[in-house]
Amino acid sequence: TAGITQAPTSQILAAGRSMTLRCTQDMRHNAMYWYRQDLGLGLRLIHYSNTAGTTGKGEVPDGYSVSRANTDDFPLTLASAVPSQTSVYFCASSVSGTSGNNEQFFGPGTRLTVL
Amino acid sequence: GQNIDQPTEMTATEGAIVQINCTYQTSGFNGLFWYQQHAGEAPTFLSYNVLDGLEEKGRFSSFLSRSKGYSYLLLKELQMKDSASYLCAVRDSNYQLIWGAGTKLIIKP
Repeated sequence: TAGITQAPTSQILAAGRSMTLRCTQDMRHNAMYWYRQDLGLGLRLIHYSNTAGTTGKGEVPDGYSVSRANTDDFPLTLASAVPSQTSVYFCASSVSGTSGNNEQFFGPGTRLTVL
Repeated sequence: GQNIDQPTEMTATEGAIVQINCTYQTSGFNGLFWYQQHAGEAPTFLSYNVLDGLEEKGRFSSFLSRSKGYSYLLLKELQMKDSASYLCAVRDSNYQLIWGAGTKLIIKP
C-alpha cells in the first residue's frame, strides 16, 4: 500500500508562475489536508476537505486553491507564486475530519522554492 | 488567539528519560496529538489524548491535564534514533489541528 504520495518532490519556480502540487491517497480516507511548514513555525493549515466535493479554508489560504473531485486526489494550486510561498508543503489525510481519534497520515512533502 | 507552546530544543543522553512539555490555549478542545518528525521527513503519529491522564505505548507515554492546558510526552530508554522533532497539536472546536512549532530532541551517546 502506497499510503499517501505527493509530486513533485521538489521544485524551483519563478515568481508569477502557476503550479499545481499533487496529492493522492489510496486509503479511502474521507478527509484531506494541505499544510505548509516553515522554519520556527508549526504546521499551518492551508485548505482542507472533509469529503469529496467539499473544501474549506484553513489558517493561511490566500494565494492557494484546491479541488476535491474524488476521494483519492487533492491538488493544491498556486495561481501566481510569490517568494513568501517558499516552503515545504505536506498533504495529509484522515479517516474523518470531524470525529474521533483521527490521526492524520502525511505524505513525504514537496519542497518549493519561489525565486 | 490560539497558541501551542513547546521548548525549541532539548538535549538528552542515550538510555536516559526525557520529558517534552506542551502548553496550549485554543478555542475548544477535541484531543491532543503528539507526532514525531525526523529531519527531512514527514510527521508520523505517536499518541492521542482526549481524557486526563497518562497513555502508555511502549517506551513512549503521553499525559494530559485539560484543566491546566498541559501535556507532556515522556520518552524512556532513549535511543539514538529518537533524535527528531516532536510536534504537539491540539484539535480545536472546528476539528482542525493547531500545531506547535516542535521540539528538536538531540540525543548524545
